[in-house]
Amino acid sequence: AQKITQTQPGMFVQEKEAVTLDCTYDTSDPSYGLFWYKQPSSGEMIFLIYQGSYDQQNATEGRYSLNFQKARKSANLVISASQLGDSAMYFCAMRPLIQGAQKLVFGQGTRLTINP
Amino acid sequence: SAVISQKPSRDICQRGTSLTIQCQVDSQVTMMFWYRQQPGQSLTLIATANQGSEATYESGFVIDKFPISRPNLTFSTLTVSNLSPEDSSIYLCSAGDRSSGNTIYFGEGSWLTVV
Repeated sequence: AQKITQTQPGMFVQEKEAVTLDCTYDTSDPSYGLFWYKQPSSGEMIFLIYQGSYDQQNATEGRYSLNFQKARKSANLVISASQLGDSAMYFCAMRPLIQGAQKLVFGQGTRLTINP
Repeated sequence: SAVISQKPSRDICQRGTSLTIQCQVDSQVTMMFWYRQQPGQSLTLIATANQGSEATYESGFVIDKFPISRPNLTFSTLTVSNLSPEDSSIYLCSAGDRSSGNTIYFGEGSWLTVV
């Protein structure tokens, strides 16, 4: 069984600072994918970044980067130069990379608030 | 990336009635997924919808309460039946396609309030 743990229910950060959102996972699958999604108050789930368990380098997408430490089973999201629009819920998720297995398991989420 | 559209975006329904949510993907996908997000909670998978076969439901979800249709490779519907206030949630559709690699995309969500 897969499990995602996000230990920070809420984070408060000053605008323009960098922020790290924690995510640890547990799985017995040899190959898996890790995802981060942003959910603003509108409710939509916005895909931010993806990391495959066999990827040699940490994923980056603009201001988002994923600090992947496989031995520690952690996949923390780093947002550089935070903006007011980054205020939202952030969810870490994973799924096995097996053909036909696209079901995602989610963590409980972290509510990020960016203060001006 | 796949673009997923959901309708309605919001609705307020009377208890005892049903609501059908539509999900349209802009490309053909093998599997589509329906999630529920209760207020203040994370996402929980309701079922997986494969074209041409019955949906596969997760523990705690049954077809009588959440019937799903999947008539083709780009479309699915979720019906929430015999509504009660406990069904007030965001319902989200998701899918991935080959062009997006391993990425899974979501629709905008459908906010349901049962009164």
